[in-house]
Amino acid sequence: NAGVTQTPKFQVLKTGQSMTLQCAQDMNHEYMSWYRQDPGMGLRLIHYSVGAGITDQGEVPNGYNVSRSTTEDFPLRLLSAAPSQTSVYFCASSYSRTGGSKKLFFGSGTQLSVL
Amino acid sequence: KQEVTQIPAALSVPEGENLVLNCSFTDSAIYNLQWFRQDPGKGLTSLLLIQSSQREQTSGRLNASLDKSSGRSTLYIAASQPGDSATYLCAVVNQGGKLIFGQGTELSVKP
Repeated sequence: NAGVTQTPKFQVLKTGQSMTLQCAQDMNHEYMSWYRQDPGMGLRLIHYSVGAGITDQGEVPNGYNVSRSTTEDFPLRLLSAAPSQTSVYFCASSYSRTGGSKKLFFGSGTQLSVL
Repeated sequence: KQEVTQIPAALSVPEGENLVLNCSFTDSAIYNLQWFRQDPGKGLTSLLLIQSSQREQTSGRLNASLDKSSGRSTLYIAASQPGDSATYLCAVVNQGGKLIFGQGTELSVKP
């Protein structure tokens, strides 16, 4: 079972560039989410989705866009990268539409550096 | 605003020792609490989930307890092994289903 798959694993961007972090899950999970993990800040929720066509903002949404056209995929877009977006990004999914009421499954992460 | 604190930030123990990791939270109105393990350069793996109505959950050598009234949870690891070395994170889930993470305890088990 693939579980939650994130690509790429590493990425270096220049300030102002755009890119999309990909996330796919094969468990038919309704809930999908994006977190960023920074030293001293822990994991913070960026955006989440409770089903295809439905997205909402998390704790730190500024500078990021998401869409959910299918149950399986939940891409995260950086429209104009900034050094403050240097971080490790994790995608996570869950059986439950409310996310945390069931176990959360995480991808292996994308390490992003913005120069 | 819910805040989750894990103390200590780092812990080093000899192999075979029983140990306890602590997690505290400021708002007792939680839906559940989850413990995760994170290996270096990897994502998080869910270890245990305790519903707000439960007092504890067990999986193998791991036992997690929850005391909502005092805002505390502990993760007990019995007979620790070098393979247990990792960062352990707790997360509380509020009534809306969102997880609030602590910053983790980095555990090192020495052979």
